[in-house]
Amino acid sequence: KQEVTQIPAALSVPEGENLVLNCSFTDSAIYNLQWFRQDPGKGLTSLLLIQSSQREQTSGRLNASLDKSSGRSTLYIAASQPGDSATYLCAVRWNQGGKLIFGQGTELSVKP
Amino acid sequence: EAQVTQNPRYLITVTGKKLTVTCSQNMNHEYMSWYRQDPGLGLRQIYYSMNVEVTDKGDVPEGYKVSRKEKRNFPLILESPSPNQTSLYFCASGRRTGEETQYFGPGTRLLVL
Repeated sequence: KQEVTQIPAALSVPEGENLVLNCSFTDSAIYNLQWFRQDPGKGLTSLLLIQSSQREQTSGRLNASLDKSSGRSTLYIAASQPGDSATYLCAVRWNQGGKLIFGQGTELSVKP
Repeated sequence: EAQVTQNPRYLITVTGKKLTVTCSQNMNHEYMSWYRQDPGLGLRQIYYSMNVEVTDKGDVPEGYKVSRKEKRNFPLILESPSPNQTSLYFCASGRRTGEETQYFGPGTRLLVL
């Protein structure tokens, strides 16, 4: 069965720290992987989308990497800020169809 | 402003009373999808649509119906709601499935008594 797992479920760090969020998936033959951010009581905002042919994508302080052979993706956040506090979700598509599987998310808290 | 809108945002209803949650996007997207989010279970896909008149089941379609008669609208229908359908529902749209990002609506919080 195709599954997506995110560990840890929650993470608390002091402001300024660099941090890594993890996403692992069964079945390495993915089509693409996407990272989202969700603020409490709000919808999801797309952060980065990595196609299966790509190794990483960057946007500002965010860098997402993809290692299909090990079934893993990481989201690296540099110089974390309190405004980065949110839940981060990864989602995997295994083919060009519309089916999308989400991980359960990592709730990040950045303390001032 | 490019956006996905959902209505209503909050709804309390009773078991068995049919309801519809509307979703509309103004970005001319072909792809639209419905998800539910539950504590401990995360976000799960209910139905998706690749284009007008084309819909497919996601992971948890039981108890739900959808239709895609026009490109901009993708309503979610609960013919006979039950308490286990109490959840937070999100609609999303995207320009081309699998190749570009999805844009999410603000969510509809549903309570079925």
